[in-house]
Amino acid sequence: ETGVTQSPTHLIKTRGQQVTLRCSSQSGHNTVSWYQQALGQGPQFIFQYYREEENGRGNFPPRFSGLQFPNYSSELNVNALELDDSALYLCASSLAAGRGETQYFGPGTRLLVL
Amino acid sequence: AQSVTQPDIHITVSEGASLELRCNYSYGATPYLFWYVQSPGQGLQLLLKYFSGDTLVQGIKGFEAEFKRSQSSFNLRKPSVHWSDAAEYFCAVGASTGANNLFFGTGTRLTVIP
Repeated sequence: ETGVTQSPTHLIKTRGQQVTLRCSSQSGHNTVSWYQQALGQGPQFIFQYYREEENGRGNFPPRFSGLQFPNYSSELNVNALELDDSALYLCASSLAAGRGETQYFGPGTRLLVL
Repeated sequence: AQSVTQPDIHITVSEGASLELRCNYSYGATPYLFWYVQSPGQGLQLLLKYFSGDTLVQGIKGFEAEFKRSQSSFNLRKPSVHWSDAAEYFCAVGASTGANNLFFGTGTRLTVIP
C-alpha cells in the first residue's frame, strides 16, 4: 500500500510568483487536507477536499486555492507569494470526511520565498 | 472554538527514563484527540488517537496516552525512552463541525541524552 506522497520536496520562489504543490492520497482515500507548518509551529489547516469539492477552509486568504482530481490526488496553488508563505506544506489523506477520521500525512513540501 | 496547548516547548530526558508530554485542549463536547510525531525533515506519523471508551489509549512504539475530561488533558507517556524517540511531538484535536480538520498544538521537542 502506497502512502501519501508529495512533490516537489523542496522549492524556492521569489515574492510575487505563483506555485503549485502536488499530493497523491493513500490508496482508497477520498479526502485530502492541506496544512501549512511555519518554522517552530504546529500545522495550520488551509482547506480540505472531499470527492473533488472543497469541504472546509481555514483562515487563509483566497490566493490559496486548490483542486482535487477524480483519482483523489490534489493540488495546492498559491498566488502572489509573500515572504511569510515560506513554510512546510503538508498534505494529509483520510478514508472519508467524517469527524474523527484519521489523517495520514505525507512528507511535505518545503517552500522558501525570497 | 477548539484549541490545543502544549505547555512544554522542549524536554530533555535520559535514555531509559520515563516520559510524559503534556497536552491540554479546549473543546465543547467529547473531543477526538490525536498524538503525532515528526522527525526532522519528515511528515507527521500518527502515534495514537482517542475517540471514546477506555480513557487509556495504547499506541505504536510503546506510547500511551490518558484522556482526563476533568482536567481537559491528553498527556502522552512512555515508560522507557529510546534514543530513536527524539523528535517533535504534536497533540491535536479534531474539528467539531465542518471539515474533519485538526487543530494542532505548537509541539514539544524531545531530546534524548545517552
